[in-house]
Amino acid sequence: NAGVTQTPKFRVLKTGQSMTLLCAQDMNHEYMYWYRQDPGMGLRLIHYSVGEGTTAKGEVPDGYNVSRLKKQNFLLGLESAAPSQTSVYFCASRTGFTGTDTQYFGPGTRLTVL
Amino acid sequence: GQQVMQIPQYQHVQEGEDFTTYCNSSTTLSNIQWYKQRPGGHPVFLIQLVKSGEVKKQKRLTFQFGEAKKNSSLHITATQTTDVGTYFCAGPRSNSGYALNFGKGTSLLVTP
Repeated sequence: NAGVTQTPKFRVLKTGQSMTLLCAQDMNHEYMYWYRQDPGMGLRLIHYSVGEGTTAKGEVPDGYNVSRLKKQNFLLGLESAAPSQTSVYFCASRTGFTGTDTQYFGPGTRLTVL
Repeated sequence: GQQVMQIPQYQHVQEGEDFTTYCNSSTTLSNIQWYKQRPGGHPVFLIQLVKSGEVKKQKRLTFQFGEAKKNSSLHITATQTTDVGTYFCAGPRSNSGYALNFGKGTSLLVTP
């Protein structure tokens, strides 16, 4: 099992450009999450999904959109990138069967917006 | 809203010294999880505590969950250079599909 994978690993964008980050998991997990990590800020929840076809907003959703058309994939989109979106983005997944299941994180995407 | 606070933000120790990081939640938690993130890496699950007053050990690491289930600690005995990284505590967020609410982490630097 590859676990949770993310593409791309690195990306540099100019202000106003758009891009999509892809997260894929092969563990048949129901729940998937997008977090962003900024220096000294810990990880903050952007959006999450509790199953195929469902998405919901997290703590910092502005400027991002998501889709979960297939159970194994969770896409994060930036329609018009801003320098404030320079961050490391982590995807995570969990089974969702109980409240105590752990989360498995992908390796992250390091995004710089100029 | 629910907040999870961690102290200290940074800790620099000599190899062999002990290390402790503390985590406090503004609300009672059903469980608390600890993650380790190596420099340039991603968070990796260490342990989960569920019961009030629970203590769990993993080799040189000791994890505690407070009686009121609002605080937790991670203690490392006789640190090694392999312990370098950032340690995060996290509790479940309300109404967010069991997403986690992370503390800001404690970055540990161990010098030989």
